[in-house]
Amino acid sequence: GESVGLHLPTLSVQEGDNSIINCAYSNSASDYFIWYKQESGKGPQFIIDIRSNMDKRQGQRVTVLLNKTVKHLSLQIAATQPGDSAVYFCAENIRGYSTLTFGKGTMLLVSP
Amino acid sequence: ETGVTQSPTHLIKTRGQQVTLRCSSQSGHNTVSWYQQALGQGPQFIFQYYREEENGRGNFPPRFSGLQFPNYSSELNVNALELDDSALYLCASSVDPGQGGGELFFGEGSRLTVL
Repeated sequence: GESVGLHLPTLSVQEGDNSIINCAYSNSASDYFIWYKQESGKGPQFIIDIRSNMDKRQGQRVTVLLNKTVKHLSLQIAATQPGDSAVYFCAENIRGYSTLTFGKGTMLLVSP
Repeated sequence: ETGVTQSPTHLIKTRGQQVTLRCSSQSGHNTVSWYQQALGQGPQFIFQYYREEENGRGNFPPRFSGLQFPNYSSELNVNALELDDSALYLCASSVDPGQGGGELFFGEGSRLTVL
């Protein structure tokens, strides 16, 4: 079936480095993509989103890139901090429908 | 803090039992979605309730059922528990159906262990 998946299960970086987390999706009908951060013992927390009519969107220290040609999504975190350590999920949605489909997740470990 | 509260936070059941999980949505939100998150996996959509009616369902058997009350709070019921039902159950609320991203607010979850 169609699904959202991640390339790397764990990413270890040093504090101050830039981090890049990747995600592949396969549902060509998806038109809305979201990145969530989940800390241990907590629910997913919204980071940034992007619609399919865009290829880049920037937030505070984060940038999401969307490549519809190869169905690839990435999250870039600038100047990574220990507080960024968490599991990051990409999710896809067909706008207006109730189902949000999540990928498996990537654990980001930031060393001081 | 998202304003979405879930109870209980942790519980242990045995196979074959039934469980009820509860969720209070954020003030002003009329839509509640439930997700199951197995260890090491991403959340999976169970179903959504909007104005007390089921409004979309994922690939879960009928023993997973739900309710939404007039105050928009919600319950998730699971009958005939199986070992594979052990997971974190997440509730998310939004102003309207079909919303995700920054418009969807998750609670901290209820951790269910089935022995």
